[in-house]
Amino acid sequence: SYGLTQPPSVSVSPGQTASITCSGDKLGDKYACWYQQKPGQAPVLVIYQNTKRPSGIPERFSGSNSGNTATLTISGTQGMDEADYHCQAWDSSSRVVFGGGTKLTVL
Amino acid sequence: QVQLVQSGAEVKKPGASVKVSCKASGYTFISYVVHWVRQAPGQGLEWMGWIDGGNANTKFSQKFQGRVTLTRDKSASTAYMEVSSLRSEDTGIYYCARDLSMTSLILDYWGQGTLVTVSS
Repeated sequence: SYGLTQPPSVSVSPGQTASITCSGDKLGDKYACWYQQKPGQAPVLVIYQNTKRPSGIPERFSGSNSGNTATLTISGTQGMDEADYHCQAWDSSSRVVFGGGTKLTVL
Repeated sequence: QVQLVQSGAEVKKPGASVKVSCKASGYTFISYVVHWVRQAPGQGLEWMGWIDGGNANTKFSQKFQGRVTLTRDKSASTAYMEVSSLRSEDTGIYYCARDLSMTSLILDYWGQGTLVTVSS
């Protein structure tokens, strides 16, 4: 079955750039999405179709996807960005697949 | 504005069933697919399946096929997810989420989640 791999944790200093990766076989041939989830809250879509931001998502959130890796980049990271981030794509049967999630710590 | 409001927390014994509702508002229910996603305590997101609000077609993760039933009531703009033969590993938060457009597999709006606890 298709799998997506994320690092369990990433740390970043305030104001710096955070990069969170998501790896999967030929992931670049698919569209990747990213969701932000803060403690006790439902996930929020922050990037879809590799690079698009939904209305209301700050410009500091951006995405890319090539080869086997999709990347979520947060520029000028703020304390409010501390959260779990989940990548998502789909398998050959058009079933949704999530990565294991990455905890972003801003310190 | 688009809203998905889920039913309240449930406590069930092993072997029982649970049915969670997801009431949609702010959009045309029959024009969109609703997904269901589970999150075990301290774990990541796990996709369960989706139901088409218009024709009630469904698609399931192989893990949940046969033990999960997805239904919808068009007149009430509500989707339902039922899990049977509950076991302790089914404990977690269950979310419904709308698909951005038909089956784009992009989950753009989420419900608040329903905690299901399975315990004897």
